[in-house]
Amino acid sequence: GAVVSQHPSWVICKSGTSVKIECRSLDFQATTMFWYRQFPKQSLMLMATSNEGSKATYEQGVEKDKFLINHASLTLSTLTVTSAHPEDSSFYICSAALGGYSGNTIYFGEGSWLTVV
Amino acid sequence: DAKTTQPPSMDCAEGRAANLPCNHSTISGNEYVYWYRQIHSQGPQYIIHGLKNNETNEMASLIITEDRKSSTLILPHATLRDTAVYYCIVRGPYNQGGKLIFGQGTELSVKP
Repeated sequence: GAVVSQHPSWVICKSGTSVKIECRSLDFQATTMFWYRQFPKQSLMLMATSNEGSKATYEQGVEKDKFLINHASLTLSTLTVTSAHPEDSSFYICSAALGGYSGNTIYFGEGSWLTVV
Repeated sequence: DAKTTQPPSMDCAEGRAANLPCNHSTISGNEYVYWYRQIHSQGPQYIIHGLKNNETNEMASLIITEDRKSSTLILPHATLRDTAVYYCIVRGPYNQGGKLIFGQGTELSVKP
């Protein structure tokens, strides 16, 4: 299947700093990418939908000024956690939609572990 | 978005077929059913999806009832590596973003 890659796989940052996570579709162009977070023993929670060249659409309760999403090209979306705090420590996962039509396939990245100390 | 209901856990003997049920009684006519699985600490893996016809690929088969209110994912010959959490998701309308909203899924344990 199509490959979605995230970088870094894990990152440790100090409280108050910002950290950027990249999501790339390696062998296809993705008009739409999605960002999720997952806490231990819980399901994935959708944070935002990212469309190339336009502003991201955030889910209710997700702070758009804290979680900055940029989708500058058809193969790259980035999530920046600004002024990170320990409660932001989580597993962040992106996904990319193959093809811009209903019923297309969505592939997920391997995820990125963020630990804020 | 249409909700799905799955049993929280299931067991299956290695080599046997694993049949994972999913109810989605409020599904709309243009909404697809997607199945993913997640092995601990990894991103979800795409398995299969369908609209109303049964679908089969190298990983699994998807059986959707005629009224589309439920579906079953079939892993024909389960192996220990199929132990994972399986998510059945009704994808939101494409013109509203086509989001995948995850529920709690079914934790499948394949036993020797």
